[in-house]
Amino acid sequence: EVQLLESGGGLVQPGGSLRLSCAASGFTFSSYALSWFRQAPGKGLEWVSGISGNGGFTPYADSVKGRFTISRDNSKNTLYLEMSSLRADDTAVYYCAKDFYYSWYIDWGQGTLVTVSS
Amino acid sequence: DIVLTQSPATLSLSPGERATLSCRASQSISNYLGWFQQKPGQAPRLLIYDASNRATGIPARFSGSGSGTDFTLTISSLEPEDFAVYYCQQRSNWPLTFGGGTKVEIK
Repeated sequence: EVQLLESGGGLVQPGGSLRLSCAASGFTFSSYALSWFRQAPGKGLEWVSGISGNGGFTPYADSVKGRFTISRDNSKNTLYLEMSSLRADDTAVYYCAKDFYYSWYIDWGQGTLVTVSS
Repeated sequence: DIVLTQSPATLSLSPGERATLSCRASQSISNYLGWFQQKPGQAPRLLIYDASNRATGIPARFSGSGSGTDFTLTISSLEPEDFAVYYCQQRSNWPLTFGGGTKVEIK
């Protein structure tokens, strides 16, 4: 059974930094692309960033480009999202998800809440 | 970026009725369109991918159709557990983008 468990969310001041983690199990981690998605309170879904199985391809949404960095450690079965220069509009539940077929994501974590506020 | 426009924003129906949800893309995306269901406090659930393929475990009452710029999700007969928000998503181009959602509520 695929399991994805996000952690690292919390309250951070504007301009601050935070690192999210997503611990994965139940599949061959290095064989699958992964992505981060987010959902602001009461709003719709937004894709944030993705990473290929070997980490060589890392697209980003324009809204986070230059501020967020996605990475993975295939030896630890863990996905990361390093977030800096955080703004109030980055407040959201952040989900990690596993690709099963050409950027279709069928397995999702339960999400971790990031709140950017002073 | 490809913009996806969903309609209607809200659909008020009774259990047993048929639901028809629409998603229109700002440019042709071939059949690279999927549909998600989301209930309050839960992660999204992939229902349909590549316009018409049901994901594993999705009941046959959910079906998708369309290509190019116009797509439809049909729920043939609403069950109580189907009342939720539905999002379309495209994978034709980066960045991946979502529509604004359609809420299917109980009439």
